[in-house]
Amino acid sequence: GENVEQHPSTLSVQEGDSAVIKCTYSDSASNYFPWYKQELGKRPQLIIDIRSNVGEKKDQRIAVTLNKTAKHFSLHITETQPEDSAVYFCAASNNGNQFYFGTGTSLTVIP
Amino acid sequence: DTGVSQDPRHKITKRGQNVTFRCDPISEHNRLYWYRQTLGQGPEFLTYFQNEAQLEKSRLLSDRFSAERPKGSFSTLEIQRTEQGDSAMYLCASSRDSLAGTQYFGPGTRLLVL
Repeated sequence: GENVEQHPSTLSVQEGDSAVIKCTYSDSASNYFPWYKQELGKRPQLIIDIRSNVGEKKDQRIAVTLNKTAKHFSLHITETQPEDSAVYFCAASNNGNQFYFGTGTSLTVIP
Repeated sequence: DTGVSQDPRHKITKRGQNVTFRCDPISEHNRLYWYRQTLGQGPEFLTYFQNEAQLEKSRLLSDRFSAERPKGSFSTLEIQRTEQGDSAMYLCASSRDSLAGTQYFGPGTRLLVL
């Protein structure tokens, strides 16, 4: 089965700096890679996703890159704000049949 | 609220009892997923329905767990003979077929087995 690894497990940045979270996956059949933000006690919320026919996708301050050859994808948050503080999860899926999640990155943005 | 809903939000039970959780997906979503999440971990896939058909089930899922989606709308997840290790947040998510993969999560049911 698929194995998704996520790094780092914790990340602290100063407000205004950039944050990068990286994930690797093992199953070459995976073709959909969403990123979720989960605040304490709340449900995971989709923030951005990318499909395997695209190398990069951007939505305002958030971007995701995908390297299919190396089987890794990354989340980039620029101009971080305190409200970006949360746990972020990456996931990999084969056509939405199963989803495999990473272990999460706890991001703290220091004002 | 037209999002995914789950009931109950919290459940405390004694070891050995059976519990049942309900999930109501977004109305036009054909796919429905169940996950388990423990503290400090990512959601762990349990099972997935497309309409009323259960298409995938995790190999990690004990025989004590069963899920149904009889009319292709709401779903139930039952845990029989609960164990303390079943204590977790149980999350439901739904998605459309046409946007396979873009799923939206419910608020979860937090289970505590004493």
